[in-house]
Amino acid sequence: AQSVAQPEDQVNVAEGNPLTVKCTYSVSGNPYLFWYVQYPNRGLQFLLKYITGDNLVKGSYGFEAEFNKSQTSFHLKKPSALVSDSALYFCAVRDDGAGNTPLVFGKGTRLSVIA
Amino acid sequence: KAGVTQTPRYLIKTRGQQVTLSCSPISGHRSVSWYQQTPGQGLQFLFEYFSETQRNKGNFPGRFSGRQFSNSRSEMNVSTLELGDSALYLCASSSGLAGALGEQFFGPGTRLTVL
Repeated sequence: AQSVAQPEDQVNVAEGNPLTVKCTYSVSGNPYLFWYVQYPNRGLQFLLKYITGDNLVKGSYGFEAEFNKSQTSFHLKKPSALVSDSALYFCAVRDDGAGNTPLVFGKGTRLSVIA
Repeated sequence: KAGVTQTPRYLIKTRGQQVTLSCSPISGHRSVSWYQQTPGQGLQFLFEYFSETQRNKGNFPGRFSGRQFSNSRSEMNVSTLELGDSALYLCASSSGLAGALGEQFFGPGTRLTVL
C-alpha cells in the first residue's frame, strides 16, 4: 500500500534563510507526488506536483521540490523564506501501480518563519 | 470561476445526533473527495465520488456515508455522532479522478464540534 511520511511536525527558519520541508514515500509502482499548503482557517492550496520528467519541479510562490527516486524522497524547498510562508504543509502521493487509488496525505509539517 | 464551496462552515452537535455536510465543486469538475482533518491524524481520506458513483472509500465506519448528485454537488452524512468525530471536514474537487495527474481544489472546510 502507498504511504507518505513527513518526519518533522514543526520546522522553524529565520526569514531570508533557505527552507526545507521533508517528505518520503513508499509505492509499489511509480509515484505521483504533490505538495499542498494550508493557511489558517483555509482549505488546502496546490503548490506543485511531480508526475514524470525533470526531477526538479518548480511551483507556486517560489517553492520547488526535488524528486529523488533512490532515496524515495520529495523534499520541498525555497531559497529564501518569508514570514508569509508560515503555514501547514502537506505532501501527498498516489501509486500509479495500484489502480484507481486516491491520494494519500502525510500528517503535515508546520512551518514557522521568524522575522 | 467560483471555487469549491462548503456549507455550513461551522457546526456544533451533540453525541448521538446526525449531521449532513454539503459541497459544491468547481463548475465542470466531476470528482468530489471528502477528507477528515484532525491535529493528530492529519488528512484521512473518507470517500470519492465521480459522476454520481462512489469510486473509493477510506477506512471509516459505516456511520459515515456520502452521495453525489447529477450536478456534481455532494453531501456527506455522519450518523450517531461521537466525540471523536470532531474535526475539520474538507471537500476537494478535480476534473478527473482524484489523485490522477491533475491537482485537487479544496474548499475551506466545515468545522464540526461534537459535544
